[in-house]
Amino acid sequence: DAKTTQPPSMDCAEGRAANLPCNHSTISGNEYVYWYRQIHSQGPQYIIHGLKNNETNEMASLIITEDRKSSTLILPHATLRDTAVYYCIVRVRSTNAGKSTFGDGTTLTVKP
Amino acid sequence: DTEVTQTPKHLVMGMTNKKSLKCEQHMGHRAMYWYKQKAKKPPELMFVYSYEKLSINESVPSRFSPECPNSSLLNLHLHALQPEDSALYLCASSQGGRLTSYEQYFGPGTRLTVT
Repeated sequence: DAKTTQPPSMDCAEGRAANLPCNHSTISGNEYVYWYRQIHSQGPQYIIHGLKNNETNEMASLIITEDRKSSTLILPHATLRDTAVYYCIVRVRSTNAGKSTFGDGTTLTVKP
Repeated sequence: DTEVTQTPKHLVMGMTNKKSLKCEQHMGHRAMYWYKQKAKKPPELMFVYSYEKLSINESVPSRFSPECPNSSLLNLHLHALQPEDSALYLCASSQGGRLTSYEQYFGPGTRLTVT
């Protein structure tokens, strides 16, 4: 699985959009980008994933660059409850269960 | 139901004890995972079961012994642990197989302290 690079921490004002970047310059053609978050003392929570098209669900939007070497997770209206560690993972979506290697993630702090 | 449950929530054990962690899901997922997470670090994969068979063991010491009795249950048997094994142990599941959804659903974890 390709390695990812994320900034260690970011702040965001409540009600504003939070844009979390992820670099995955060694991603291969069959690897998807997954985003999870972990609120303090809880298990990680799946947010969204994508291959090359932009994706949106009820939680967030995922923007993947055309060359697929980086992506941005967007929380459109951040709330205090979005304060968490956000992990970007790239992995092959195969028919066999495989590894999801977590990097160090970005600690997002949403401030009032 | 998108819930993965783990019991117990907290466990304190001595280095000579034998204990087990339990994980359960009723989403019909055929892949289940154990992760270990130390404070302020990302989760580290320990084991993966696919269709009740062990498919990945990340060179975990033999004092950790996983078991998958059926497609809904995953156990982690602990024996002769060391204080450095104290951590949050997370269970996860995903659909796997020929289905197209591979995102993992995590349980809340068991906080283990080895004394």
